[in-house]
Amino acid sequence: DAGVIQSPRHEVTEMGQEVTLRCKPISGHNSLFWYRQTMMRGLELLIYFNNNVPIDDSGMPEDRFSAKMPNASFSTLKIQPSEPRDSAVYFCASSVSGKGYEQYFGPGTRLTVT
Amino acid sequence: KNQVEQSPQSLIILEGKNCTLQCNYTVSPFSNLRWYKQDTGRGPVSLTIMTFSENTKSNGRYTATLDADTKQSSLHITASQLSDSASYICVVRVWRGSYIPTFGRGTSLIVHP
Repeated sequence: DAGVIQSPRHEVTEMGQEVTLRCKPISGHNSLFWYRQTMMRGLELLIYFNNNVPIDDSGMPEDRFSAKMPNASFSTLKIQPSEPRDSAVYFCASSVSGKGYEQYFGPGTRLTVT
Repeated sequence: KNQVEQSPQSLIILEGKNCTLQCNYTVSPFSNLRWYKQDTGRGPVSLTIMTFSENTKSNGRYTATLDADTKQSSLHITASQLSDSASYICVVRVWRGSYIPTFGRGTSLIVHP
């Protein structure tokens, strides 16, 4: 298996632009997580889906952030409009649902908003 | 205040030496605790998972301990190697309507030759 696939790996954009991050989970995994990582705050859970349904989005910072999971093999995280403080590494992870199951992380997307 | 606190924030050791990383948590109810290793520029990878009833678990040169009464966990690395240089993150899974992972900020370990 190729593991969790994220694209793009790097994104540089100007403030105010729309940014879309993409994730393909591991086949057979039915839980998907979006995280943001910064030096100041470490890893933060933004939202997670179970069977394509958003379960907890309390970590989504504000209305500028939205996430979708139209099917079991694809999810997007969108920021519109982007701001410099959104600069971070965004990780997607997937797992089999259940409290003991390991999350497998993708390589991350490094976002820089200028 | 973060509900999962890790110490030290960073650590430098010589190759071949042992080290111990600490994780204290205040969250409850508690389901399980994982230690992840994150190499620079990559996503975290799970090292161990511990449930409420487990005290010690080993994975090669990595040994994790858990004291659920004092809400403390440690990760001991034996005979460190250069490849152990990474960030080590403690994650506690807590009930918040569903089981949600709560992350510590990690300990950055550098192993020097």
